[in-house]
Amino acid sequence: NAGVTQTPKFQVLKTGQSMTLQCAQDMNHEYMSWYRQDPGMGLRLIHYSVGAGITDQGEVPNGYNVSRSTTEDFPLRLLSAAPSQTSVYFCASSGWDRGASYEQYFGPGTRLTVT
Amino acid sequence: GESVGLHLPTLSVQEGDNSIINCAYSNSASDYFIWYKQESGKGPQFIIDIRSNMDKRQGQRVTVLLNKTVKHLSLQIAATQPGDSAVYFCAEETSYDKVIFGPGTSLSVIP
Repeated sequence: NAGVTQTPKFQVLKTGQSMTLQCAQDMNHEYMSWYRQDPGMGLRLIHYSVGAGITDQGEVPNGYNVSRSTTEDFPLRLLSAAPSQTSVYFCASSGWDRGASYEQYFGPGTRLTVT
Repeated sequence: GESVGLHLPTLSVQEGDNSIINCAYSNSASDYFIWYKQESGKGPQFIIDIRSNMDKRQGQRVTVLLNKTVKHLSLQIAATQPGDSAVYFCAEETSYDKVIFGPGTSLSVIP
């Protein structure tokens, strides 16, 4: 199992550019989420999905779009990048782990800088 | 609104001592709470969780206590080791699969 993978690891964008952060999981988890983490801060939920074809907004959804066409993939799209979106982005997936715990697994993160 | 917050932003503990990290939550309807550990440059890692029908749950060297009366959560780490140095987050499931994180506590273990 690769777990949760994210690409790219690093990205620099100019203001106004768009891009897609990729996230994939091979654990057959139904639930996937995107968070952003600013320096010295906690994680804030951007969007989440409870299954293919179903997405919902989190705490800070503005400026981001998501889709969930398959169980495995949950891409995050920045429509028009702004310096305020400079952050580390984490993707997570979760499901009942061995029937014992509802454990959320995180990817390694994508460090995004918008200039 | 929904929020999860921590009392202490930083905590320094002598190696071998017990650590206690506290967390307050505001949504009394939340029924599932999780503690995560985040090491520098990595994503958060699940430590332990607890449902609202319990007030205590133990894992390996860690114990989570839940006090629903005062909406307080704590993480106890026994015999703290240098490898425990990290930022610890409490998180709260406010609705179906919507997990909200608190701001984090940085734990530093003094050898």
